Amino acid sequence: AQRVTQPEKLLSVFKGAPVELKCNYSYSGSPELFWYVQYSRQRLQLLLRHISRESIKGFTADLNKGETSFHLKKPFAQEEDSAMYYCALGSGGSNYKLTFGKGTLLTVNP
Amino acid sequence: DAGVTQSPTHLIKTRGQQVTLRCSPKSGHDTVSWYQQALGQGPQFIFQYYEEEERQRGNFPDRFSGHQFPNYSSELNVNALLLGDSALYLCASSLLNRRNTEAFFGQGTRLTVV
Repeated sequence: AQRVTQPEKLLSVFKGAPVELKCNYSYSGSPELFWYVQYSRQRLQLLLRHISRESIKGFTADLNKGETSFHLKKPFAQEEDSAMYYCALGSGGSNYKLTFGKGTLLTVNP
Repeated sequence: DAGVTQSPTHLIKTRGQQVTLRCSPKSGHDTVSWYQQALGQGPQFIFQYYEEEERQRGNFPDRFSGHQFPNYSSELNVNALLLGDSALYLCASSLLNRRNTEAFFGQGTRLTVV
């Protein structure tokens, strides 16, 4: 069975501090991992995916198959990064379904 | 492009009743997936529709059913509502058979069962 674990429900950092949101997954096939973000009063939106290997809004995430992890990192947090972050695992081929973690609420304090 | 639109935004129903939620996908998308998000939880996959057929289904009872129309819009129906069905229901659209397709989400319908 596939599973996504985000161990931290809440994470609070100060502006300019590094931030790391943890995500571990369990999946027997070849995983596709995503990070989704939900800003206050906005819809869920894709932040980044491991296939793209790109940096979005200063965030990066590396898929570590050995540790089955896909942690989200940013070297210098900004107040506008405050949001709910969900790690998701895509499975089922091209018509994939997403399995989400429970989410981490990131608060960046001034 | 308005993106994914869902209606209604809020709904209150009584236990035992039936409810229908609606979703219009993003322009150009042909696949619609439905998710249930209980309070404090991540979205949980209900099912996915493509070419007017249910293609994948999550671990939800038969009380949850759906439909997709020729214009790709979709409905989620829930029968015999339980208090535990109270949640935010999200619709996501994507393009099938496109490797790096992105799922776009609607704002959701907040269902309260009393």
